[in-house]
Amino acid sequence: DAGITQSPRHKVTETGTPVTLRCHQTENHRYMYWYRQDPGHGLRLIHYSYGVKDTDKGEVSDGYSVSRSKTEDFLLTLESATSSQTSVYFCAISDSEGLYSNQPQHFGDGTRLSIL
Amino acid sequence: QQPVQSPQAVILREGEDAVINCSSSKALYSVHWYRQKHGEAPVFLMILLKGGEQKGHDKISASFNEKKQQSSLYLTASQLSYSGTYFCGTEESTSYGKLTFGQGTILTVHP
Repeated sequence: DAGITQSPRHKVTETGTPVTLRCHQTENHRYMYWYRQDPGHGLRLIHYSYGVKDTDKGEVSDGYSVSRSKTEDFLLTLESATSSQTSVYFCAISDSEGLYSNQPQHFGDGTRLSIL
Repeated sequence: QQPVQSPQAVILREGEDAVINCSSSKALYSVHWYRQKHGEAPVFLMILLKGGEQKGHDKISASFNEKKQQSSLYLTASQLSYSGTYFCGTEESTSYGKLTFGQGTILTVHP
């Protein structure tokens, strides 16, 4: 199994508080992704990174920011959490070369986030 | 733009075959297929690349019609372990590494 660790695995917090989720990999893969998964919506991309300090927005990036200061860590921050951000968050990594996704994405175990 | 998967759900008995379809309105570079069991992370099954290259499991087959922007996943002689939700992820020719996932197809295999 690909070495991906998400932390925390579960979190309950209140509306308006900041939240940071961490994704740590030991595979030295170039690409890292953050998705959220909600019933009826499948997996939706929030942000992704194609290298250290190189990030781009996905389809549901509003209200989220990311940072990647090291190859192995990709942080997702909710600056001021809202109830609509209650979801399961998955990190994924990929060893794709070049510009396209020609290698599998391997997913972490997910973080279940509840915002009350 | 989110690809459309069909059917939304399918129920099989062990040994039966199934086909899951994925259709996009955009020109595609690649199609990925993943399976997710309840409460677990998605697991990679297969990649189909523009030009015909495939990467994935030997026991699962798939096709990719580049002109129609469609892909199909073929599950033959289904086993109980095939149960789960199947997602296709499409990479548009201008997406550069980003996948857009379909809404999923729930596959249930009964003894």
